[in-house]
Amino acid sequence: NAGVTQTPKFQVLKTGQSMTLQCAQDMNHEYMSWYRQDPGMGLRLIHYSVGAGITDQGEVPNGYNVSRSTTEDFPLRLLSAAPSQTSVYFCASREGGLVLRAINYGYTFGSGTRLTVV
Amino acid sequence: TQLLEQSPQFLSIQEGENLTVYCNSSSVFSSLQWYRQEPGEGPVLLVTVVTGGEVKKLKRLTFQFGDARKDSSLHITAAQPGDTGLYLCAGLGGSNYKLTFGKGTLLTVNP
Repeated sequence: NAGVTQTPKFQVLKTGQSMTLQCAQDMNHEYMSWYRQDPGMGLRLIHYSVGAGITDQGEVPNGYNVSRSTTEDFPLRLLSAAPSQTSVYFCASREGGLVLRAINYGYTFGSGTRLTVV
Repeated sequence: TQLLEQSPQFLSIQEGENLTVYCNSSSVFSSLQWYRQEPGEGPVLLVTVVTGGEVKKLKRLTFQFGDARKDSSLHITAAQPGDTGLYLCAGLGGSNYKLTFGKGTLLTVNP
């Protein structure tokens, strides 16, 4: 089925370790983003990309890096994991890039990666 | 930073009752979206409203976008246990059309 695929689904890291959360979409969507979801905090934007080669910071970017070398893939890298990064991470994509018609398009979310940092 | 306040945070009702969830902001949004999320899954889009005053119906769900495009509501008629889930409103705005989420309303519909 077409959609957004996230791997892994679960991960436990030790403090200081690094890892990459993978996100791939097969809908040719220009816009991709990463959110983290924490109890009582809702979904917060980490980083986003409006197209291959273009990325920008969201609301909570510290401790995370992204790159967008292809339209399909948007990996999220944790440089040195901290317990505060324990969360559920969602990747999402949509059509439209930055053009005005983008306001008509909803986001397609992956099923999430549950990350625990001990 | 554009903020969205959702209320109520929790809602537990009996099957057959009606309910309304509110989403308010001091900011103007280009569009407002509603999502439903089930445990262990990502949010799934229910509707997008774009025009101030717009009303959209999806079976027993009615969505309204405020005239000033700062607020929205979701009304469910005759709720069913299958409606149980986390309902999220999200506003699309800013120069890069970023999506800002409210904290959600956790709805439980008891049989």
